Amino acid sequence: EDQVTQSPEALRLQEGESSSLNCSYTVSGLRGLFWYRQDPGKGPEFLFTLYSAGEEKEKERLKATLTKKESFLHITAPKPEDSATYLCAVQDQAGTALIFGKGTTLSVSS
Amino acid sequence: GAVVSQHPSWVICKSGTSVKIECRSLDFQATTMFWYRQFPKQSLMLMATSNEGSKATYEQGVEKDKFLINHASLTLSTLTVTSAHPEDSSFYICSARPTHGYTFGSGTRLTVV
Repeated sequence: EDQVTQSPEALRLQEGESSSLNCSYTVSGLRGLFWYRQDPGKGPEFLFTLYSAGEEKEKERLKATLTKKESFLHITAPKPEDSATYLCAVQDQAGTALIFGKGTTLSVSS
Repeated sequence: GAVVSQHPSWVICKSGTSVKIECRSLDFQATTMFWYRQFPKQSLMLMATSNEGSKATYEQGVEKDKFLINHASLTLSTLTVTSAHPEDSSFYICSARPTHGYTFGSGTRLTVV
């Protein structure tokens, strides 16, 4: 059964304090790993898609990496506006709906 | 970019009544849409896959007679929660697939009192 596990569940950082979020996955034939940002009471907002081990993508202070078993979302010098829940999801070989992890809630204080 | 519009953003209804949630793809056609439910501090759980012009596919444990899905056009899918009860209170989110990736609606907060 496809499974996505995110850690930590919650993360508190000071502004400028870099860190990483982890997403471990078990899937039958990975077609894509997705990272989304979700603000309270809103739908997920797309960040990245990674397709193969070794792939990396960057956007502003965020960088996503992928191995055969996990993905990391690195946050460099975060700002308070980066506070949100970050969701990881996988698309399996069947290629239909996404399977989500529970998310990591990030709080960045100034 | 591809936009999915979801309405209403929140709704309060009395126990036993029905509520309809709409999901529209604004600038692309979506033969398939997905409906998720999210409880506080929990993951998005797939409820059903909505297919234009045919029956929806429900995930195990989701009551198809309670959560009615209609996908009558290439840009509109609706989810109707029938005979709602307080335990149906949740955040419902729809999603569609434009050319690349998955786009999500802004969600509907349903509160059943």
